[in-house]
Amino acid sequence: GAVVSQHPSRVICKSGTSVKIECRSLDFQATTMFWYRQFPKQSLMLMATSNEGSKATYEQGVEKDKFLINHASLTLSTLTVTSAHPEDSSFYICSARDPPRDIKNIQYFGAGTRLSVL
Amino acid sequence: KNQVEQSPQSLIILEGKNCTLQCNYTVSPFSNLRWYKQDTGRGPVSLTIMTFSENTKSNGRYTATLDADTKQSSLHITASQLSDSASYICVVSAMGTGGFKTIFGAGTRLFVKA
Repeated sequence: GAVVSQHPSRVICKSGTSVKIECRSLDFQATTMFWYRQFPKQSLMLMATSNEGSKATYEQGVEKDKFLINHASLTLSTLTVTSAHPEDSSFYICSARDPPRDIKNIQYFGAGTRLSVL
Repeated sequence: KNQVEQSPQSLIILEGKNCTLQCNYTVSPFSNLRWYKQDTGRGPVSLTIMTFSENTKSNGRYTATLDADTKQSSLHITASQLSDSASYICVVSAMGTGGFKTIFGAGTRLFVKA
């Protein structure tokens, strides 16, 4: 199956700093990528949909200036958490859609990034 | 309102035993239903995907069923192993005029004990 690589897997940062998370589709071109946030023992919450070459679509309640998304190429999307605060500590997961199989809306997930803000 | 409800919330079984996880949905218009396995601290991994016309799909010891009439799905795990301990997430896609809408269930946390 298609492979999605997410980096870093874990990051610890000080409050007020910015953190960038990368999501790459390794063996296919992903015109659409998704960013999720997951709190302990809860399911994934969609934050935004990232489309290559255009602005991301954010879900209601997600601050676009806080969570900057860039999808500059067909294989890379980045999520930057700006001016991170302890409440931003969470598990962030990206997924990508493989266009040839898009008819079933199959998403392939990255391994996730554990963000801890001190 | 599009919803996906999973039960039980958590489950503890002994190694080697079978178990069945449930997923009920109220998603329309239905496109497909997927079961994912998510190990702690990892991203979800797809187990099965079923469209409207499919009522069963197997992947090794995992067998998913779908009843599109009653809008219910189940995931049956046979001869459980310790490595089956994970969260199992039911995900339903709806295909509307605006494109796909994906709804996640809250997941069932399975603990397999030796």
